[in-house]
Amino acid sequence: EAGVAQSPRYKIIEKRQSVAFWCNPISGHATLYWYQQILGQGPKLLIQFQNNGVVDDSQLPKDRFSAERLKGVDSTLKIQPAKLEDSAVYLCASSLAGNEQFFGPGTRLTVL
Amino acid sequence: AQSVTQLGSHVSVSEGALVLLRCNYSSSVPPYLFWYVQYPNQGLQLLLKYTTGATLVKGINGFEAEFKKSETSFHLTKPSAHMSDAAEYFCAVSASGNTPLVFGKGTRLSVIA
Repeated sequence: EAGVAQSPRYKIIEKRQSVAFWCNPISGHATLYWYQQILGQGPKLLIQFQNNGVVDDSQLPKDRFSAERLKGVDSTLKIQPAKLEDSAVYLCASSLAGNEQFFGPGTRLTVL
Repeated sequence: AQSVTQLGSHVSVSEGALVLLRCNYSSSVPPYLFWYVQYPNQGLQLLLKYTTGATLVKGINGFEAEFKKSETSFHLTKPSAHMSDAAEYFCAVSASGNTPLVFGKGTRLSVIA
């Protein structure tokens, strides 16, 4: 069974630029999560999708972050414009309802 | 609201020694508790989880954890450390199996030969 795929693995941008991350969850997993992991901290939820609907985006900085999950499969997370404090690893996870979350390898973003 | 506190940002043990990583949680509902391991430049891998039932949970790679409701703890142990156990370990809590995880800050485990 293929795992959660994320791309790119690494991204370096300058502040005020835009960036987008892509996630392909495990086939059949209806629930998809995006977490932000700042260096030295545990992951923090940004947004949760159930199929193509948003369940929880209370911690998403909506003035600069956006996310979508078209057709209830792949998802993209966008930051526009990026700030220095957005430097982090962005983790995507997916799960079947009521079961374990499987994490992708993450995208490491560096904002200069 | 839920939260997790991991005592000790860095733990160092000798190879073959006992591994003990501490985790205390706060939850207003019966918690689901998890331990994840993260190797450098990799995602998180589930070590073990507690949902209901037996309070002593066994996971992969010889790790186990015990849910103690009275102490609000879920400490991770392994009888004998191996060099390959060196990694970052995260304790997490959720309200159910389909809700987001709330993570602690992590504990980096070093294993000395």
